Amino acid sequence: QKEVEQDPGPLSVPEGAIVSLNCTYSNSAFQYFMWYRQYSRKGPELLMYTYSSGNKEDGRFTAQVDKSSKYISLFIRDSQPSDSATYLCAMINQGGKLIFGQGTELSVKP
Amino acid sequence: GAGVSQSPSNKVTEKGKDVELRCDPISGHTALYWYRQSLGQGLEFLIYFQGNSAPDKSGLPSDRFSAERTGGSVSTLTIQRTQQEDSAVYLCASSFGRDDGYTFGSGTRLTIV
Repeated sequence: QKEVEQDPGPLSVPEGAIVSLNCTYSNSAFQYFMWYRQYSRKGPELLMYTYSSGNKEDGRFTAQVDKSSKYISLFIRDSQPSDSATYLCAMINQGGKLIFGQGTELSVKP
Repeated sequence: GAGVSQSPSNKVTEKGKDVELRCDPISGHTALYWYRQSLGQGLEFLIYFQGNSAPDKSGLPSDRFSAERTGGSVSTLTIQRTQQEDSAVYLCASSFGRDDGYTFGSGTRLTIV
């Protein structure tokens, strides 16, 4: 079993839709949770970073962590074609390594 | 520099040859990481350097892979006797510490022919 599971998609939505991206994890010791966005032929770019259960909002993006269920989500409101990218969840284990999910490919159609 | 710099951006090499990939982290970042991303796959951890501590090499897939970090700054990932399955994008990232967000470079796209 992988430490972090993420639905690879692809996910296609119309412009303006609300997008929900999700990951589950197995290691209850994970404390730091991140979402990265990766455009084609580019390195991943840190989007959201949180270390506690609950919600964190930044503009159109909301990161949600539920440690009791070992489940994290990223919500994108009013999605735009420029949001089309691969979204990777990631979390830091006890050894300091950042463990990534497989990534979800998102396409927002105009 | 302003970001993490990796070179070369693309590398095509013949099977069996050795290759060296370079990473210049953000100045002041003490932590440096190497990841590998194969087509359609997530990021696979390779190695992690933190300050002057012994590196965490637990992700290196074979003894053909090695990495060093000189002077706590620049890092080089070396792959000896390359195989076709080594073809991937090799990504380097750096951060202030283990619990901070990582900044990634654009990667080196390695193709073994």
